[in-house]
Order: sequence, then structure tokens, then C-alpha cells
Amino acid sequence: GAGVSQSPSNKVTEKGKDVELRCDPISGHTALYWYRQSLGQGLEFLIYFQGNSAPDKSGLPSDRFSAERTGGSVSTLTIQRTQQEDSAVYLCASSLGGPLTDTQYFGPGTRLTVL
Amino acid sequence: QKEVEQNSGPLSVPEGAIASLNCTYSDRGSQSFFWYRQYSGKSPELIMSIYSNGDKEDGRFTAQLNKASQYVSLLIRDSQPSDSATYLCAVNRGADKLIFGTGTRLQVFP
Repeated sequence: GAGVSQSPSNKVTEKGKDVELRCDPISGHTALYWYRQSLGQGLEFLIYFQGNSAPDKSGLPSDRFSAERTGGSVSTLTIQRTQQEDSAVYLCASSLGGPLTDTQYFGPGTRLTVL
Repeated sequence: QKEVEQNSGPLSVPEGAIASLNCTYSDRGSQSFFWYRQYSGKSPELIMSIYSNGDKEDGRFTAQLNKASQYVSLLIRDSQPSDSATYLCAVNRGADKLIFGTGTRLQVFP
């Protein structure tokens, strides 16, 4: 595909359940980012991958959140024991290089609703 | 103090007018500055990037950066109703993180 893809597009889960969100970046992009956007809010940085390693994990809200990237491509964001405050749109972006100068291209997002 | 601050708006301008969007940031070491546009229910898309003091023009858009005063602005000339969206300012704080403001909602009325 030409752009960043994310799945699922919508996820409704019950409080306490685990969820996995997937991001497939643009082919050839080495950098991958996860953000969270709550209703009416800006983008909250979660984590950034350069290749398979994450130089900065400081944005992850709690130890219930984790992310991995394998093969320098697909990434998954896992939220364990979901809470209602986790409800948000989770956006993934990728760029050719790092965040200093390169344009980040965003996927359509996954809307997570925790009941 | 937030790292990147924007007036939430809405900023309402008539069609054909100049819309001026402002953003201030707190980290003097910031090096890269970006403006993203986000339509309701859609993902952000890059409008402009600017790295050095002064103005950068691209079509109807002009980005202005003043590092001494720690602000960056976006001017939209000949505003169109299709420009109605939320405009997000983003600042690179260090090599590994892009910090976004909460956005300014722009409304262009016919």
C-alpha cells in the first residue's frame, strides 16, 4: 500500500481486557511513531522506533503500555488491563529517517473505546 | 507551562482573508518546527516545516519562525472554506521526539 495502515480501525473492549493495535508503515520508512489523541486534544507522543529499537519510551503512560517492532516494519502497541482513560484514537506515523527533519505520515488511526 | 502552546480558537475569518495562527514553545533548544492540518475525524497531514529564523512561503501558506521569541506562526492567505480544520503546531525537542500543541480550530466562512 502507498500509505501507513493501521488495524483495527475501531476497537471496543471491556475494562481489564488486553488489546493489541497494529501499524504497518510506508515501505522503506525506518522511523515509526505512536501517538494518542483524546477527544478534542492534541497528539500525545507515546514511543518512537528507529529500526527495531526504541530510543525514547518516556511517553508511554504506564507499564500497562508496551510496543514492539519487528523486522524494521510492522509495529504493535499492546495495552494490558485496559482502563476507561485509555479510550482515545491511537495514531501511528512513519518517516523516512528520524523526527528531526523528516515528514511524518500518519495512518488513519485506531479508535479504542474501553467500556 | 505546556511545552507547545496554541490558542484553541475557534479562529473565524471570512473567505479571502488572511488567517494567522500562532504557536509558542518553551524549549530554546528546539530545532525543527512543523505545522500539520487535521480535518475533523481525519489524521494530521503536514502543511509546512521550518528550521531557520524568518519566513518560508509555499503557495498560500507562510510559516514564520522567531527563535529569540520562541514562537512560530502560520499565515494562510486568501483563506478558503476548505481550509477550515484544526492546525497543529509541532516542535522537535531533541532528536527523538516531536511535541504537538493542542491545535487551533480555524473556521473560514463564505
